[in-house]
Amino acid sequence: SQQGEEDPQALSIQEGENATMNCSYKTSINNLQWYRQNSGRGLVHLILIRSNEREKHSGRLRVTLDTSKKSSSLLITASRAADTASYFCATDISNFGNEKLTFGTGTRLTIIP
Amino acid sequence: EPEVTQTPSHQVTQMGQEVILRCVPISNHLYFYWYRQILGQKVEFLVSFYNNEISEKSEIFDDQFSVERPDGSNFTLKIRSTKLEDSAMYFCASRETRTGFYNSPLHFGNGTRLTVT
Repeated sequence: SQQGEEDPQALSIQEGENATMNCSYKTSINNLQWYRQNSGRGLVHLILIRSNEREKHSGRLRVTLDTSKKSSSLLITASRAADTASYFCATDISNFGNEKLTFGTGTRLTIIP
Repeated sequence: EPEVTQTPSHQVTQMGQEVILRCVPISNHLYFYWYRQILGQKVEFLVSFYNNEISEKSEIFDDQFSVERPDGSNFTLKIRSTKLEDSAMYFCASRETRTGFYNSPLHFGNGTRLTVT
């Protein structure tokens, strides 16, 4: 089983609607991060939520974290065509000497103009 | 805004050949990473590097792989004898401070697409 799994795998919505993506993970985390990847490009950091936080906002993005359910959601409000991309959650479970982020499987979001 | 740069953007090589993928991390960053992404699949951790040594490596990062920081700016990934299954996008990333303890994000380059024929 995977440390991070996003759901749904693919999502198509009309421009202006809200998009919600979910991420589940298996082990305790220090923080959870969301990244965006445009086709053929690198990953761009969107938002980081610490394990002791429950909700965080950044512009049109809202992230929630439920450590009891080991899940997170990313909400993009008032979607735009430019939001079309793949979105990945990444979990930081590092201890000293264990330095990495583990990425989920991603949600491919398509915004229909 | 400072960025991580990777060269080349696309590398084609024959099976069994050695390849070196190059990265210039952000200048004040201390931690460096290589990830790879096989087409359409998840982003997989390969190796992390700090203070001129490997901090952690995954099971993918076998004896065919090595990393080096030959000078103060470059960070390279070498694959000694490429296999067909090494075909993937390889991403370099850097971060300013230690994972977890300081909660800082990774900054990624745009990747090198490696095609092994």
